Amino acid sequence: AQSVTQLDSQVPVFEEAPVELRCNYSSSVSVYLFWYVQYPNQGLQLLLKYLSGSTLVESINGFEAEFNKSQTSFHLRKPSVHISDTAEYFCAVSLANDMRFGAGTRLTVKP
Amino acid sequence: DTGVSQDPRHKITKRGQNVTFRCDPISEHNRLYWYRQTLGQGPEFLTYFQNEAQLEKSRLLSDRFSAERPKGSFSTLEIQRTEQGDSAMYLCASSFLAEGETQYFGPGTRLLVL
Repeated sequence: AQSVTQLDSQVPVFEEAPVELRCNYSSSVSVYLFWYVQYPNQGLQLLLKYLSGSTLVESINGFEAEFNKSQTSFHLRKPSVHISDTAEYFCAVSLANDMRFGAGTRLTVKP
Repeated sequence: DTGVSQDPRHKITKRGQNVTFRCDPISEHNRLYWYRQTLGQGPEFLTYFQNEAQLEKSRLLSDRFSAERPKGSFSTLEIQRTEQGDSAMYLCASSFLAEGETQYFGPGTRLLVL
């Protein structure tokens, strides 16, 4: 079965600094990859996803992720973070509607 | 707002009591999923429905847990004889019937078993 490892449980950064949240997956077949964001006391919201095609996918709020098949990674990046980006970020891998989530990375943006 | 809704948002109960949660998915979505999320962890799959049929159940779903989606619309998740270990956030999500389709999540029901 597919699985996901998020390599950092917490990432503290200063406002306007760049950030990378790392995600590696394991699967013997092609899968779909997702990043979700969860704000306190809320459900998960889709940030971006990779299904096929261009390996670089972007979200509307400045995040991007690159699918790297050889390294089985789907790292999330943002060149300049805001205080409002403080949240929990989950990487997920989906195969035949079986979605598995990583343990999450807590991004804390400090002023 | 036509997103996924869940009720109640919070539930406090005593050990041994039964609880029932409701999920209303996005109306056009065929698939409905239940997940459990504990502190510091990602959501763990519990079960999913395609229309009214329950197609898969995780081994995490003990006999005390039962889920229904009687008319292929809303779903209920019941936990009988609750235990303290059942304390968690219960998340519902829905999606269209196609591989790779985005799952849209509700706000969750936070359960605390005393």
